[in-house]
Amino acid sequence: AQKVTQAQTEISVVEKEDVTLDCVYETRDTTYYLFWYKQPPSGELVFLIRRNSFDEQNEISGRYSWNFQKSTSSFNFTITASQVVDSAVYFCAAYAGGGSQGNLIFGKGTKLSVKP
Amino acid sequence: EPEVTQTPSHQVTQMGQEVILRCVPISNHLYFYWYRQILGQKVEFLVSFYNNEISEKSEIFDDQFSVERPDGSNFTLKIRSTKLEDSAMYFCASRLGRGTEAFFGQGTRLTVV
Repeated sequence: AQKVTQAQTEISVVEKEDVTLDCVYETRDTTYYLFWYKQPPSGELVFLIRRNSFDEQNEISGRYSWNFQKSTSSFNFTITASQVVDSAVYFCAAYAGGGSQGNLIFGKGTKLSVKP
Repeated sequence: EPEVTQTPSHQVTQMGQEVILRCVPISNHLYFYWYRQILGQKVEFLVSFYNNEISEKSEIFDDQFSVERPDGSNFTLKIRSTKLEDSAMYFCASRLGRGTEAFFGQGTRLTVV
């Protein structure tokens, strides 16, 4: 069985602060894929980043960076110098490789509010 | 940039009526999905479709639900007899292959009255 846990329900920061969103993914599979999606107030789901379980490096893309710790199954996402437009619900999602068709399962989401 | 498109964006229907939600996935993608999000809640998997057949379905996807890919481009979700609790945002998604990210449509908000 797989499980995606986002322990933070809501986070509120002031613009320009850095913010880290936590995610833990539990699975017995050794190959799996991790994602972060953003859902702004308009409702659509926007893909942000992907990480494979066999990737060695953590990455930075613009103001986004992510940190994957295989030992703790954590896949944390950081927004540097947050902006008001970053206000949204952020979902961590994952699927295990193996022989499955890769059905993405989602965490419950973290609502981020960035205040000016 | 290619995108997944869904129609309609909003549908209101009476309880017991049939609805068909439509999706056009990204053209070279091979895996197709439907997800549901009840207002303010998490995104829930309904069904996956690959190689012209259902590959997996969740407990939510009971006999009232069906999916079809009637031609090379459209992917539909049918709810035969809608219930009040079917009110939700329904998302279609597609992805290219194993290990790739899924791209979602903008969703269809279904309201059952």
